[in-house]
Amino acid sequence: DAGVIQSPRHEVTEMGQEVTLRCKPISGHDYLFWYRQTMMRGLELLIYFNNNVPIDDSGMPEDRFSAKMPNASFSTLKIQPSEPRDSAVYFCASSLIGDYGYTFGSGTRLTVV
Amino acid sequence: GENVEQHPSTLSVQEGDSAVIKCTYSDSASNYFPWYKQELGKRPQLIIDIRSNVGEKKDQRIAVTLNKTAKHFSLHITETQPEDSAVYFCAASTGGDGQNFVFGPGTRLSVLP
Repeated sequence: DAGVIQSPRHEVTEMGQEVTLRCKPISGHDYLFWYRQTMMRGLELLIYFNNNVPIDDSGMPEDRFSAKMPNASFSTLKIQPSEPRDSAVYFCASSLIGDYGYTFGSGTRLTVV
Repeated sequence: GENVEQHPSTLSVQEGDSAVIKCTYSDSASNYFPWYKQELGKRPQLIIDIRSNVGEKKDQRIAVTLNKTAKHFSLHITETQPEDSAVYFCAASTGGDGQNFVFGPGTRLSVLP
């Protein structure tokens, strides 16, 4: 298995632009998580899905952030409009129910200028 | 909700010495405690985990202990090597199914040759 695949690896965009981050979880995993990592706030859970259904989005910072999981093999995290304070590394992770441990993707480093 | 504290924030040890990182959690219902290692510029990777029905678990040079009464758990690395240098994160599960983690702020471990 190729693991959790995220794209793009790096994204530089101008303030106000829309940004879409993509994630393909490990095949067969039931859970998908989106995390944001910054030096100041560490690893923050933004949202997670179980069987494609959003379970907890309380970590989504504001309405500018949205996430979807249209099928078991694909999820997106969208920021519209983007702001400089959104600059961070965004990780996607997946796990199998009962297995507990997460597998993280390689992350997307987002820079908003 | 769950709150996870982690100490120390930075730790330097001589190669061959032991390193200990400690975490405390607030939610007595938490039942799963993983540890992740993140090398510079890379994804967090699960290195060891422990469940609430176990007091200690060991895997070669690393071990984790759990004290449910005191709500704290620790990572022990023996015979440290330069490749152990990384940021280590502890986490505690909060969701009813154990899938939703809250991460500690991380400990930057430096192993000096």
